[in-house]
Amino acid sequence: DGGITQSPKYLFRKEGQNVTLSCEQNLNHDAMYWYRQDPGQGLRLIYYSQIVNDFQKGDIAEGYSVSREKKESFPLTVTSAQKNPTAFYLCASSVRTGQGPAFFGQGTRLTVV
Amino acid sequence: QQQVKQSPQSLIVQKGGISIINCAYENTAFDYFPWYQQFPGKGPALLIAIRPDVSEKKEGRFTISFNKSAKQFSLHIMDSQPGDSATYFCAASIEGTYKYIFGTGTRLKVLA
Repeated sequence: DGGITQSPKYLFRKEGQNVTLSCEQNLNHDAMYWYRQDPGQGLRLIYYSQIVNDFQKGDIAEGYSVSREKKESFPLTVTSAQKNPTAFYLCASSVRTGQGPAFFGQGTRLTVV
Repeated sequence: QQQVKQSPQSLIVQKGGISIINCAYENTAFDYFPWYQQFPGKGPALLIAIRPDVSEKKEGRFTISFNKSAKQFSLHIMDSQPGDSATYFCAASIEGTYKYIFGTGTRLKVLA
């Protein structure tokens, strides 16, 4: 079945550590996105990528980094510079650029301990 | 101008009733309005979307009503079922861009 796979589902990190969240899609979609979801707030865009080897910052990119070396993979690194990293992270994709998120993964819940 | 205001924050409806969730926006450049459904512990899923050239779009039990002059749009779930219990998000965007502005979500509970 085609879809977006995020791993791990739950992740615990100590303060000061970097951590990488995985996102893989087998939908052959060009565009991929990372969103952050906090209780009582709408989804906020961290980074998006329209094509391999290209990505742009979203509204809350500080403290995060991404790479897009392969079409199917868009990993997100939460660095120690991110002041409040505890959140639910969602990866999404769309068939083509400029279309916005159509399919979402099941999310990774990151907790800083 | 970039906000999308969604209400209510939570909603309880009896089985068979109509669930209504409202969203309002300010940016008149928005021209694409999707709704997403999210079950606990899962990612959102695109449910239905509308463009401002129509006032209503219906897909099964789900209907979007759009009022361009009032800059408001709403989701109606007819014959609500317990399986519809989820969080619903509205969003607004300028079609052809990546930039989606999401509402804060409405947690719907349909009582059996």
